[in-house]
Amino acid sequence: EVQLVESGGGLVQPGGSLRLSCAASGFTFSSYEMNWVRQAPGKGLEWVSYISSSGSTIYYADSVKGRFTISRDNAKNSLYLQMNSLRAEDTAVYYCAREGNRDGYNLGYFDYWGQGTLVTVSS
Amino acid sequence: SYVLTQPPSVSVAPGQTARITCGGNNIGSKSVHWYQQKPGQAPVLVVYDDSDRPSGIPERFSGSNSGNTATLTISRVEAGDEADYYCQVWDSSSDHPPYVFGTGTKVTVL
Repeated sequence: EVQLVESGGGLVQPGGSLRLSCAASGFTFSSYEMNWVRQAPGKGLEWVSYISSSGSTIYYADSVKGRFTISRDNAKNSLYLQMNSLRAEDTAVYYCAREGNRDGYNLGYFDYWGQGTLVTVSS
Repeated sequence: SYVLTQPPSVSVAPGQTARITCGGNNIGSKSVHWYQQKPGQAPVLVVYDDSDRPSGIPERFSGSNSGNTATLTISRVEAGDEADYYCQVWDSSSDHPPYVFGTGTKVTVL
């Protein structure tokens, strides 16, 4: 059974930092592209960042570029999001999401999601 | 960047059909994916590549895509279908951003 479990959320002051983790199990983690998607309270879904299966290709939303860093450790089946210079508008539930894959090609949709971890940026 | 527009809300009686639209410039040339999100839960993929269903998703969920509008159709609506629904596309030729979600539609079962 595919499982994605996020951790690391919490309350942080504006300008502070936080590192989110996502522990993956039930599939060959090193074969899949991974993403972070967030949802502000009462708002819609917003894609945040993508990392290829090897970690060699990375994308960010403009709203977090230069402040957030995505990474992965395939030996530990883990995905990370280092968040620096946090702002009030970064307050959200952060989901890690696996990208669908067929024969080694990513399919552009998210077939499994974690339960999310809440990040609150407030003084 | 690419914009996907959905109606904020759709109301439907049990047993009837709900149709949720997702508008975007020439969206018919892209693959559209749909997610269901119930309160306090993570999104769940219900339709991918315009009209395919993941295993475990009832046949009552179907999708279509043409021109400037994609549509998620829920037939024989049940109380358990009450949720927020989001469309999503992947623009592999762009990194600004490559993944775009629609604005979301709240489906209310009367």
